[in-house]
Amino acid sequence: DADVTQTPRNRITKTGKRIMLECSQTKGHDRMYWYRQDPGLGLRLIYYSFDVKDINKGEISDGYSVSRQAQAKFSLSLESAIPNQTALYFCATSEPRGDQETQYFGPGTRLLVL
Amino acid sequence: SQQGEEDPQALSIQEGENATMNCSYKTSINNLQWYRQNSGRGLVHLILIRSNEREKHSGRLRVTLDTSKKSSSLLITASRAADTASYFCATNQGAQKLVFGQGTRLTINP
Repeated sequence: DADVTQTPRNRITKTGKRIMLECSQTKGHDRMYWYRQDPGLGLRLIYYSFDVKDINKGEISDGYSVSRQAQAKFSLSLESAIPNQTALYFCATSEPRGDQETQYFGPGTRLLVL
Repeated sequence: SQQGEEDPQALSIQEGENATMNCSYKTSINNLQWYRQNSGRGLVHLILIRSNEREKHSGRLRVTLDTSKKSSSLLITASRAADTASYFCATNQGAQKLVFGQGTRLTINP
């Protein structure tokens, strides 16, 4: 987990506020991902990036945006937070390894939208 | 929609017993992976099985894959209290994205 860090670890915000969650990695991986986890629903992919100039929408991108500032940094923004965006958010990284590719996760950011 | 469906949703066993978790999926895959999540923390990769493999071992973990039934199982032998966690299967359908199941919450009772 120390190779993939997320800030903040916990955040409370109010409906309508814009917030940013940040992810940094020291693994040198090109590929980065943002997921959200809700109780009983597993992880769902929000956005992913395969290199600095590549951004792709995932399963649930509405209400979110991302920025890949550098190979090591991938930020997730909630443009106007709403209560149903309350969740645990995870950043992950991977490197291309054909059919052996696995992902490395950060410790998560717990977000509460009031 | 979620690709993987896991069964059971929760499992409670005594320390020393074996724990078996199952995962079913819907479409063709390149590989299937199992991850562990300790409470409120990030996921940690445990084991990967490719679509042309049927069984794989890693320490006390044994994974099987039946592509004809689109299902996989994770067996943890001789369970320990430290194995208490949630376990997720994830399928790689190509394009190097993973689709996660809902997870099985495993509790090991001392």
